[in-house]
Amino acid sequence: AQTVTQSQPEMSVQEAETVTLSCTYDTSESDYYLFWYKQPPSRQMILVIRQEAYKQQNATENRFSVNFQKAAKSFSLKISDSQLGDAAMYFCAYDLGNEKLTFGTGTRLTIIP
Amino acid sequence: DVKVTQSSRYLVKRTGEKVFLECVQDMDHENMFWYRQDPGLGLRLIYFSYDVKMKEKGDIPEGYSVSREKKERFSLILESASTNQTSMYLCASSRLTYRGSQETQYFGPGTRLLVL
Repeated sequence: AQTVTQSQPEMSVQEAETVTLSCTYDTSESDYYLFWYKQPPSRQMILVIRQEAYKQQNATENRFSVNFQKAAKSFSLKISDSQLGDAAMYFCAYDLGNEKLTFGTGTRLTIIP
Repeated sequence: DVKVTQSSRYLVKRTGEKVFLECVQDMDHENMFWYRQDPGLGLRLIYFSYDVKMKEKGDIPEGYSVSREKKERFSLILESASTNQTSMYLCASSRLTYRGSQETQYFGPGTRLLVL
């Protein structure tokens, strides 16, 4: 079965520090898309960042960046200069090109003031 | 901005009741999705629709059905609600993708359903 694994159910980080959330996945496909979604408390899920598997360059969106290791099937999210508004559940997901997302179990990130 | 709305934020129903969860999107998206979210399990796809009157089973369709009579509206139906269907239900929509592309899914706020 195709799976996405987030091994850290909870993480915490001091405000202004950097934190990395882990994600590994399992697929035999060579073309796919990877995502990190953020779900703040009582608010809607939003896309944080995405990566196309055929691109070697790691995606970056402001303070958010990924470390994509295709051979290792790893897709970690780095949040720099953490802010209180970054507190949320973070979900890693992939799309094998069939328009459906497979999600991991999520990591709850707490920001310590 | 894409807006995906769900008819209720919180819902309490009794075992055996028929339950309708409604989702509406205002961006003319072809694809619509229903997920359930449970602690420790993440989001799991229940059903997916890529066009009006079209539907496709996801990973956990048992006990659910869907209806898509209009492009903007996608309904999830629990024919006979059971306690194990107590969960958070999330609706999402996206544009139809073309080979070599991928479209972002936009999510609604969720409906927290409690079945007693």
